[in-house]
Amino acid sequence: GAVVSQHPSRVICKSGTSVKIECRSLDFQATTMFWYRQFPKQSLMLMATSNEGSKATYEQGVEKDKFLINHASLTLSTLTVTSAHPEDSSFYICSARGQAGGDTQYFGPGTRLTVL
Amino acid sequence: QKEVEQNSGPLSVPEGAIASLNCTYSDRGSQSFFWYRQYSGKSPELIMSIYSNGDKEDGRFTAQLNKASQYVSLLIRDSQPSDSATYLCAVNFGNEKLTFGTGTRLTIIP
Repeated sequence: GAVVSQHPSRVICKSGTSVKIECRSLDFQATTMFWYRQFPKQSLMLMATSNEGSKATYEQGVEKDKFLINHASLTLSTLTVTSAHPEDSSFYICSARGQAGGDTQYFGPGTRLTVL
Repeated sequence: QKEVEQNSGPLSVPEGAIASLNCTYSDRGSQSFFWYRQYSGKSPELIMSIYSNGDKEDGRFTAQLNKASQYVSLLIRDSQPSDSATYLCAVNFGNEKLTFGTGTRLTIIP
C-alpha cells in the first residue's frame, strides 16, 4: 500500500517552455501532497504544500507564479514549471499523506528535469 | 528555528556489522519521527516511523527515540552492501510538514 507515482520520470525541455509534472496516489486518498526539489548532493527542499481543493502554500523564496501547483482531486496533484530556465534543472519529488497514514509522507519516484 | 541535524558522513561500516545513524532535533515538543533511505538518483523511501520513547524494531532495523535528549537513532544490524545509501531523518514539529536533516551517507564495505 501507499504507492505514489510521478509522471514523467525524466523530461528535457528548451529554455522558456513550461513543463507539467503529475503526482498520483494510487491506492489511497491523499489529503495533502508536498512538492520538493533536490539539487545534486543536497538535501530535500520543500517547495510547497497542497491540500485538495485549496490553494497551495509555498515556502519562503519559492515563486508561486513560476511553480504552479494544482491539487484538483484526492489522488492527483500537478506541478507546472513555467518558463523554465537552466537553473530550474533539478530533481522534483512529490510526496503524499493520507488520513489513514497519519503524518507519514510517501514519496513518488521523482522527475528529473533538464532545461537546455 | 526548528532544525534537524545529522552527521553528513560518510560513515563506513564493514559488512555484517551494526551501522548506527544519529539525529538530533531542536523542538522538545515534537511527536513524530521518521527515517528514510535514499539511494543515489532515487527518491526517499520510508524505513520506519517512531512516536514513543524507546526502541522500535522492524527486521534488521531498530529506531530509538529519546525525547528528553531530543535524539533519534537508527541501527542497522548485519549490514549489507545494499544498505549503502543516504539516510534521512525527518521530524514533524507539530505542523503538517516534515523537516528533514541533510542526511548521512552510509557505505557498507564488503
